Amino acid sequence: GAVVSQHPSRVICKSGTSVKIECRSLDFQATTMFWYRQFPKQSLMLMATSNEGSKATYEQGVEKDKFLINHASLTLSTLTVTSAHPEDSSFYICSARGDRASSPLHFGNGTRLTVT
Amino acid sequence: AQTVTQSQPEMSVQEAETVTLSCTYDTSESDYYLFWYKQPPSRQMILVIRQEAYKQQNATENRFSVNFQKAAKSFSLKISDSQLGDAAMYFCAYRATSGTYKYIFGTGTRLKVLA
Repeated sequence: GAVVSQHPSRVICKSGTSVKIECRSLDFQATTMFWYRQFPKQSLMLMATSNEGSKATYEQGVEKDKFLINHASLTLSTLTVTSAHPEDSSFYICSARGDRASSPLHFGNGTRLTVT
Repeated sequence: AQTVTQSQPEMSVQEAETVTLSCTYDTSESDYYLFWYKQPPSRQMILVIRQEAYKQQNATENRFSVNFQKAAKSFSLKISDSQLGDAAMYFCAYRATSGTYKYIFGTGTRLKVLA
């Protein structure tokens, strides 16, 4: 089946630094990728939707200058948490789908970010 | 805007028994998709079952089946012959058939399976 690879699975960084998370579709062309954030014991909160070659669409309340999303190719999207602070510590999950209306959504394994 | 509601934060079921997880949603669209996802402790999201709104027949996948009531905007998940491996968070999700195809997730139900 289709696989989405998300890297790294865990990252610890110091406050003020930036962290990049990669999301790759390994065997299909991901026309659209979604980035989610999940707090402990809570649901997935959609942060932004990215389409290959265009700017990401951010959900209300998500700072686009803090969470930079790049979808430069049909197989790769990146989320960069800039100037990270402890409150950015969370579990981030990417997902990807093809271009058909019926295309299913495939999830990465998530990245646990801890900002110290 | 579409919303998805799961009113049961936690459910328990005895091994080999049947349990039903509830989900309601709100939309003005007539065609859409509904999903149940499972998230075990590994945090990997796993698709359990999917229902297309224009199909009246309830979807089934082995021990998993849904009760889709379109008029009531209800989409419950029934797990039969529950197994220890079914223990996880279960999320109900809605997706439109046009636009960005973004998924709207419910708040989740934690299912415990008792041996």
